[in-house]
Amino acid sequence: AQSVAQPEDQVNVAEGNPLTVKCTYSVSGNPYLFWYVQYPNRGLQFLLKYITGDNLVKGSYGFEAEFNKSQTSFHLKKPSALVSDSALYFCAVRDMSPGGSYIPTFGRGTSLIVHP
Amino acid sequence: NAGVTQTPKFRILKIGQSMTLQCTQDMNHNYMYWYRQDPGMGLKLIYYSVGAGITDKGEVPNGYNVSRSTTEDFPLRLELAAPSQTSVYFCASSLGLGAKVETQYFGPGTRLLVL
Repeated sequence: AQSVAQPEDQVNVAEGNPLTVKCTYSVSGNPYLFWYVQYPNRGLQFLLKYITGDNLVKGSYGFEAEFNKSQTSFHLKKPSALVSDSALYFCAVRDMSPGGSYIPTFGRGTSLIVHP
Repeated sequence: NAGVTQTPKFRILKIGQSMTLQCTQDMNHNYMYWYRQDPGMGLKLIYYSVGAGITDKGEVPNGYNVSRSTTEDFPLRLELAAPSQTSVYFCASSLGLGAKVETQYFGPGTRLLVL
């Protein structure tokens, strides 16, 4: 079985400060991990994904995420937040072990609010 | 490419009415999905399809039906609308190459209100 948790419903950060949106996962085998962003009244947009290799993954709009296998985490980060980053962020996981689902499981989402 | 398109954008239904939410993609993707999004609940998978003529239930299929007669279209049918089906519905698609890692492309959503 695969699952993902986003422990924070909301993250508040001041513009210009670094931001972190947390995600932890549970899978039987190796994970494929994704981050998506949803702006108001829009569908989800792909930000970045981890498949294998470097633990630090760089994505769109200056975002990056760090894969930590020992802590089963895939936190989303950005060095300097912008007001325009305010949105709903979803983490998703897919278990790539034999017999694992090819349908990703999404977290509940974290609302990021960047204050001017 | 238009990507994934959904119609209508917004609809109000009376209890017991039926309707079809339309979804079309022009990327020649094999996999298509229907999700519903409720506040604080994230995305719940309703149905998915891995190709024309093949559909399967997701996490919350009750009260819904789907069909996939073509690669491009994946309509979602509500037969007897209930207030519990008030939600925002998203259609998504992905390339579908087996072991390859899939990025999903989402439509803009359909907001449904059942009164």
